[in-house]
Amino acid sequence: QVQLVESGGGVVQPGRSLRLSCAASGFSFSTYAMHWVRQAPGKGLEWVAVMSYDGSNKNYADSVKGRFTISRDNAKNTLYLQMNSLRAEDAAVYYCSSAMGPYYYYGLDVWGQGTTVIVSS
Amino acid sequence: QSALTQPASVSGSPGQSITISCTGTNSDVGAYNYVSWCQQHPGKAPKLMIYDVSHRPSGVSTRFSGSKSGNTASLTISGLQPEDEADYYCSSYTSSSTWVFGGGTKLTVL
Repeated sequence: QVQLVESGGGVVQPGRSLRLSCAASGFSFSTYAMHWVRQAPGKGLEWVAVMSYDGSNKNYADSVKGRFTISRDNAKNTLYLQMNSLRAEDAAVYYCSSAMGPYYYYGLDVWGQGTTVIVSS
Repeated sequence: QSALTQPASVSGSPGQSITISCTGTNSDVGAYNYVSWCQQHPGKAPKLMIYDVSHRPSGVSTRFSGSKSGNTASLTISGLQPEDEADYYCSSYTSSSTWVFGGGTKLTVL
């Protein structure tokens, strides 16, 4: 069955970096766009970034543009989120989600269980 | 990238129907039929309930339905059941080639 497993979360100091991973299985990863979404403690969902099926196109929320980089390795069925210059407001559970098709306008379909990022000195 | 507007909370009794609204602009909800709804139980990952305004993924109950008029999308849940109690979020593709979520609506089944 379709499964997405995030990893890489943890405690990091403000200004430092962290890389999240999302391992996909049970579907043809290389044919679907992928999203990252986050949820701060007690808050709602916030869309973070999207990458097309082949990695040729990507886009970001204004709140992370210039600091976060989404990437994928289709040979490893894995999505990444490189997070630099982390701020307190980046603390959240980060979810990866497979889109319903290859391009960004396809909505979010299956979600992983999330990985928690805590930004604290 | 302003969040879509949802009511903070709605409630209903078992067996009743409720509707949750999601208001955007003519740059997101009003511009595309790429509106989705997801359900999130406490401590759990979100689950897709409706996509492309009114389509249900396989396995989602027919009690869930979606619609759109202008800049406002709606999720209707009929025949409310206790397990429907959860947070519901709408999301929409935007003219900036990004996605935006609503602030979320807490559904209480009385």
